[in-house]
Amino acid sequence: DQQVKQNSPSLSVQEGRISILNCDYTNSMFDYFLWYKKYPAEGPTFLISISSIKDKNEDGRFTVFLNKSAKHLSLHIVPSQPGDSAVYFCAASAGDTDKLIFGTGTRLQVFP
Amino acid sequence: SQTIHQWPATLVQPVGSPLSLECTVEGTSNPNLYWYRQAAGRGLQLLFYSVGIGQISSEVPQNLSASRPQDRQFILSSKKLLLSDSGFYLCAWSLTRHQPQHFGDGTRLSIL
Repeated sequence: DQQVKQNSPSLSVQEGRISILNCDYTNSMFDYFLWYKKYPAEGPTFLISISSIKDKNEDGRFTVFLNKSAKHLSLHIVPSQPGDSAVYFCAASAGDTDKLIFGTGTRLQVFP
Repeated sequence: SQTIHQWPATLVQPVGSPLSLECTVEGTSNPNLYWYRQAAGRGLQLLFYSVGIGQISSEVPQNLSASRPQDRQFILSSKKLLLSDSGFYLCAWSLTRHQPQHFGDGTRLSIL
């Protein structure tokens, strides 16, 4: 049972444009959500997070939106840069535990 | 600042051989520690987590075990490796809930 789903395995965006990565979840108990970026042969790097008491969090070019009623999370990258090309994972945790449940990832390619 | 070290970076082992992967964290005390595995084309699956010395929780039944002999040391082991143990193994740490987990650079394990 995949509690966190990233239905788009890949996304291609032109440099300077907006990249929108999506994530859906099924567990209504999730109350903390994160996005990680991963390059090949490296560990994931934390990008941005959001608590369920918020619906938006911004950090520079990165904004995460949370729609609790739709159980949907998205990451916006504006403007996209070639260095953003990587695999992006969303993750979630629930309640008293900080165990993370990860999606399967979306490969973002930003081309010139 | 906190850092996390994993070694080795790559490992090729024959079926039936033992395994020991080590992870250490510097610059913090009493972290929560995690072992994840990423199989090819898949997301990150939590294998073990630890909230303190000698305290290990297993998330999935498997051929692997974990130990935490010191506060900032986390070891992943197997007595006899299987072909299905191949994958990318990642160690992570965090301090409290609703704080991001931070990952090491991983170990690529190939079983022949």
